[in-house]
Amino acid sequence: DQQVKQNSPSLSVQEGRISILNCDYTNSMFDYFLWYKKYPAEGPTFLISISSIKDKNEDGRFTVFLNKSAKHLSLHIVPSQPGDSAVYFCAASEGNTDKLIFGTGTRLQVFP
Amino acid sequence: KAGVTQTPRYLIKTRGQQVTLSCSPISGHRSVSWYQQTPGQGLQFLFEYFSETQRNKGNFPGRFSGRQFSNSRSEMNVSTLELGDSALYLCASSLARGDGETQYFGPGTRLLVL
Repeated sequence: DQQVKQNSPSLSVQEGRISILNCDYTNSMFDYFLWYKKYPAEGPTFLISISSIKDKNEDGRFTVFLNKSAKHLSLHIVPSQPGDSAVYFCAASEGNTDKLIFGTGTRLQVFP
Repeated sequence: KAGVTQTPRYLIKTRGQQVTLSCSPISGHRSVSWYQQTPGQGLQFLFEYFSETQRNKGNFPGRFSGRQFSNSRSEMNVSTLELGDSALYLCASSLARGDGETQYFGPGTRLLVL
């Protein structure tokens, strides 16, 4: 049972435009959500996180939105840059634990 | 501040052997978690340690084990290796256990089982 889902395996966006990556979850007990960026054969790099008590968190070009009623979160990257090309994973955890449940990832390609 | 380090970076073993992987967390971080990444299963949680105690374990067989030392460094061991254990093994550390602490990942150890 996939508790965290990223239904789009890939996304292609032109440089300068907005990239929107989506993530859905099924476990209503999740209360902390994170986005990671990953290159092949490297560890995930933390991008941004959001607690379930918020519905938006912003850090530079990255904004994460959380819709608890829909059990949906999204990552917005504005403006997109070629260096943003990577695989993006959303992850979720619940309660007093560091156990992260990851989505399957979305490969973002930003072209000039 | 140095990031999470993992050794070795690459490893080749044969079926039936055992392997030990090492992880040094970011200085001051007390929580260490391990994950396995494979093309078929994605990123899956193995176990979590805090203050030398295993607090959480994923759905992996008993061949997978780990421990944490008093300096927060952690090791994971896989015994009787199988071909399906070939994967990227990732270690992550955080400042404290749970409560929304961000986990930072190391570069991983690429294990190939022949």
